[in-house]
Amino acid sequence: EAGVTQFPSHSVIEKGQTVTLRCDPISGHDNLYWYRRVMGKEIKFLLHFVKESKQDESGMPNNRFLAERTGGTYSTLKVQPAELEDSGVYFCASSSPNRGIGELFFGEGSRLTVL
Amino acid sequence: KQEVTQIPAALSVPEGENLVLNCSFTDSAIYNLQWFRQDPGKGLTSLLLIQSSQREQTSGRLNASLDKSSGRSTLYIAASQPGDSATYLCAVMTDSWGKLQFGAGTQVVVTP
Repeated sequence: EAGVTQFPSHSVIEKGQTVTLRCDPISGHDNLYWYRRVMGKEIKFLLHFVKESKQDESGMPNNRFLAERTGGTYSTLKVQPAELEDSGVYFCASSSPNRGIGELFFGEGSRLTVL
Repeated sequence: KQEVTQIPAALSVPEGENLVLNCSFTDSAIYNLQWFRQDPGKGLTSLLLIQSSQREQTSGRLNASLDKSSGRSTLYIAASQPGDSATYLCAVMTDSWGKLQFGAGTQVVVTP
């Protein structure tokens, strides 16, 4: 069974440009999460989808970040326009529908470098 | 506000020694606690998941305990090997929808 896959693995862009990160969750996992780690900090929650609906987006830093999950399958996270402080590693995770007990499975992350 | 702390931040042991990694959290109202391993440049690999009603979980050389009332979890790795070198992260699930609060991690080096 394929795990959580993320693309691209590394992206280098100029400040002000746009980047779109993609995540394919484990098949059958309704829950999809985005997390990120910026330099020297802990991994922080960004948002959570249940199928195609945003359940919790309390961790999204500002309106330059837009996440979508059309059709309840893969998800994209767009940063527009990117700023220097957006540099970090963006992780996607998925879990099965069992609330409160589900184990989260993480992808390998997308490293974003904003110059 | 939930805070998760991992001590020590870094640890170096000779091969064969047992590893003891600590995780503490400030709010005992958690759903579960998950231990992860991260190799450099790689993603997070789930090691053990302990539900809030459980006291411990075991998998091979790994054993994790949970004392929810005191806000502590400990990950034991028996007979460490150089391949155990990695960063170990603990995370507590803070709501029923699966939101995780992470610690900063413990970087482990096992020397041959």
